[in-house]
Amino acid sequence: EPEVTQTPSHQVTQMGQEVILRCVPISNHLYFYWYRQILGQKVEFLVSFYNNEISEKSEIFDDQFSVERPDGSNFTLKIRSTKLEDSAMYFCASGRQGRDEQYFGPGTRLTVT
Amino acid sequence: GQSLEQPSEVTAVEGAIVQINCTYQTSGFYGLSWYQQHDGGAPTFLSYNALDGLEETGRFSSFLSRSDSYGYLLLQELQMKDSASYFCAERAAGNKLTFGGGTRVLVKP
Repeated sequence: EPEVTQTPSHQVTQMGQEVILRCVPISNHLYFYWYRQILGQKVEFLVSFYNNEISEKSEIFDDQFSVERPDGSNFTLKIRSTKLEDSAMYFCASGRQGRDEQYFGPGTRLTVT
Repeated sequence: GQSLEQPSEVTAVEGAIVQINCTYQTSGFYGLSWYQQHDGGAPTFLSYNALDGLEETGRFSSFLSRSDSYGYLLLQELQMKDSASYFCAERAAGNKLTFGGGTRVLVKP
């Protein structure tokens, strides 16, 4: 069964450094998302992406964040200058046209020190 | 703003039935989804209700009442593997999901 994959599984970085989190969505999906989950808290929406552009973004998704689909398979989240409060699990998700379920990847645990 | 309320924790024994309620207060509501998340794992889709009524998928069912801004997830014939967190999530325009705080279900033998 196809699944969303994410790399790396765990990323440790120093405050102020740039990080890129990578995702490979399911191949015939057209909608892509990033969510984050701080340990012990709820899942929070960051951004949705469709037709090579951002559909919607949350207040969390400020100028430090950007997304890109550099080729036909990868979908990346970049954080330009990480802060301690960016430490969280970051989930990529994808979905099909006209379908309600979103398929989540296993997540990347980002630790900012 | 958008807010979804669900109980923080429920404990039940194997074979029992558990109902997890979710209330929402939002505009631009499209539908209510339910996701399961085991510790350390990713959210996994369980069900979605756009219209009032009951949706049944095996041992799990979900209900929505738009007039009451209320839904629930029903877990039947509980098994040990059902121990997990369950999140209701509102679907809005653009397929954005806004998650509730989650209900931790603990199944005891």
